[in-house]
Amino acid sequence: AAGVIQSPRHLIKEKRETATLKCYPIPRHDTVYWYQQGPGQDPQFLISFYEKMQSDKGSIPDRFSAQQFSDYHSELNMSSLELGDSALYFCASSLKASGSWRDEQFFGPGTRLTVL
Amino acid sequence: SQQGEEDPQALSIQEGENATMNCSYKTSINNLQWYRQNSGRGLVHLILIRSNEREKHSGRLRVTLDTSKKSSSLLITASRAADTASYFCATDWGFKTIFGAGTRLFVKA
Repeated sequence: AAGVIQSPRHLIKEKRETATLKCYPIPRHDTVYWYQQGPGQDPQFLISFYEKMQSDKGSIPDRFSAQQFSDYHSELNMSSLELGDSALYFCASSLKASGSWRDEQFFGPGTRLTVL
Repeated sequence: SQQGEEDPQALSIQEGENATMNCSYKTSINNLQWYRQNSGRGLVHLILIRSNEREKHSGRLRVTLDTSKKSSSLLITASRAADTASYFCATDWGFKTIFGAGTRLFVKA
């Protein structure tokens, strides 16, 4: 079965550079989520999209932006990178069940970003 | 952590024993999910329990949910060395998901 695809898997950037992370959700999933996980930390919710519209926002810095495209893939853009942005970035996708119920989120393998 | 506490933070048991991990949360929820993560790897979904459910089973996993106490527990029975990992609970409300701090489980062979 198709899983969530993230690219690149590893990324090394210098301080103040820009990075773009890509996520391809499972086909027919209508919701995409982005998370940041620092070393030894729990995943922190950044932002989510439902049917290509931003649906909720968490602790996402103003330097970061994200969008979901017509083919449902999503990109997380990170500018003016700081050392503290070094982390694993996960994308997940899910399907709306019914009403306010959502089905389980399936996570991609993550992108490991290192800022030097 | 954005969410409540998970306890214990770390748990070391012998193979064959049961492992119980607890999670408390602060907000209203639609669902509560449990995930497993091996060091530096992706998150693997274990089980989802909805706010109107009290208990759910999946293989060797048993999850309970007490919305009045805003808490959940994950029981792994007959643990195996391969169960060694970090376990996270995550609560959903709308389109936002909040993770707990995780329990690091070590199962000794």
